[in-house]
Amino acid sequence: GDSVTQMEGPVTLSEEACLTINCTYTATGYPSLFWYVQYPGEGLQLLLKATKADDKGSNKGFEATYRKETTSFHLEKGSVQVSDSAVYFCALTVQGGSEKLVFGKGMKLTVNP
Amino acid sequence: GAVVSQHPSWVICKSGTSVKIECRSLDFQATTMFWYRQFPKQSLMLMATSNEGSKATYEQGVEKDKFLINHASLTLSTLTVTSAHPEDSSFYICSAGRDASYEQYFGPGTRLTVT
Repeated sequence: GDSVTQMEGPVTLSEEACLTINCTYTATGYPSLFWYVQYPGEGLQLLLKATKADDKGSNKGFEATYRKETTSFHLEKGSVQVSDSAVYFCALTVQGGSEKLVFGKGMKLTVNP
Repeated sequence: GAVVSQHPSWVICKSGTSVKIECRSLDFQATTMFWYRQFPKQSLMLMATSNEGSKATYEQGVEKDKFLINHASLTLSTLTVTSAHPEDSSFYICSAGRDASYEQYFGPGTRLTVT
């Protein structure tokens, strides 16, 4: 079946450090890929997405590139801020649209000043 | 933006009782709503998908007679945990989707504790 594997953490970084959260996937079809973020006390929010190979999603300084050859969608940010402290989930859908999301386990990031 | 609310945000109930959790889309019509369950340090697991006016589609292994889902309108879906037991204690999250959109909008979740 379809699955997502991501770094689990937790991870603690200092402000302005570089961040990479690895995410790889297994899918029977041709998936769309997502990163969701969950800030403390809030619901999940879509951070960025990519719907086809070589697409790059970006938002709030975060980037992730859809790599079909390595079945990966790693999340990167060059300089994290305290406000980036949250739990990050990698996810996929196979059929697109408002369809079933398959999530990774999530990774808690804490950024210290 | 698209806002989804859940009520209650947390609930404690006794074993054997039933609990209803509401999920509302506040500023859009949701043709599809999803219910997830999240255990500590685990991923969100999809329980069921519901479309307005039709029966919910449950994922394999989810007891449809225990987790009753009703999607009576385009802005409201409810999840009722019937005859709750301590093993049903978990974090339940709903999301709502619009037509022709890749994005699901998530509620803040409901923490259920069964004693």
